[in-house]
Amino acid sequence: SQELEQSPQSLIVQEGKNLTINCTSSKTLYGLYWYKQKYGEGLIFLMMLQKGGEEKSHEKITAKLDEKKQQSSLHITASQPSHAGIYLCGADRRGGGADGLTFGKGTHLIIQP
Amino acid sequence: GAGVSQSPSNKVTEKGKDVELRCDPISGHTALYWYRQSLGQGLEFLIYFQGNSAPDKSGLPSDRFSAERTGGSVSTLTIQRTQQEDSAVYLCASSSHTLSEQFFGPGTRLTVL
Repeated sequence: SQELEQSPQSLIVQEGKNLTINCTSSKTLYGLYWYKQKYGEGLIFLMMLQKGGEEKSHEKITAKLDEKKQQSSLHITASQPSHAGIYLCGADRRGGGADGLTFGKGTHLIIQP
Repeated sequence: GAGVSQSPSNKVTEKGKDVELRCDPISGHTALYWYRQSLGQGLEFLIYFQGNSAPDKSGLPSDRFSAERTGGSVSTLTIQRTQQEDSAVYLCASSSHTLSEQFFGPGTRLTVL
């Protein structure tokens, strides 16, 4: 089955600085999802990437999918306190078809004022 | 409703008791998923429903777990003879079709004493 490894596990960044979170898959990525979770709350959908080389942006968050490296990166520009939380990447469990997702363990992001 | 809703939000039960967790997906969403989130295991897929097809139960951890979806809408996850290791947050998600983003509910926090 698909396994996803996220790095770093935790990240403390000064407000206003840029940061990058990586998600590496053990298998070919057919669809990669990024979610954000506030402590004690549900998951908020950020972006979905389906094609190699695809890049999407929403406000100050940009995600890219490198199909060859089986990796996705999430980049936040000029971080703000509202960006704090747990970032999770998820991928189709079996590949080639869609059903439940396999998730990474998450990256805990703390923004220091 | 506007989003996925789950009830109860919190459930405390004694070891050996049965529990039922409910999920109301977004209206019109044909796909429904159950996940479990715990400190040690992260976010794990449990079961998936798509329309009227037989559910994919491959993620259920034991035969004490079962789920049903009535009328293609509301779903109930039942855990029989609960054990302490069942303590976790149980998340439900729905999507309009299997290749689109999954929208998550706020979860049910289950504590087995």
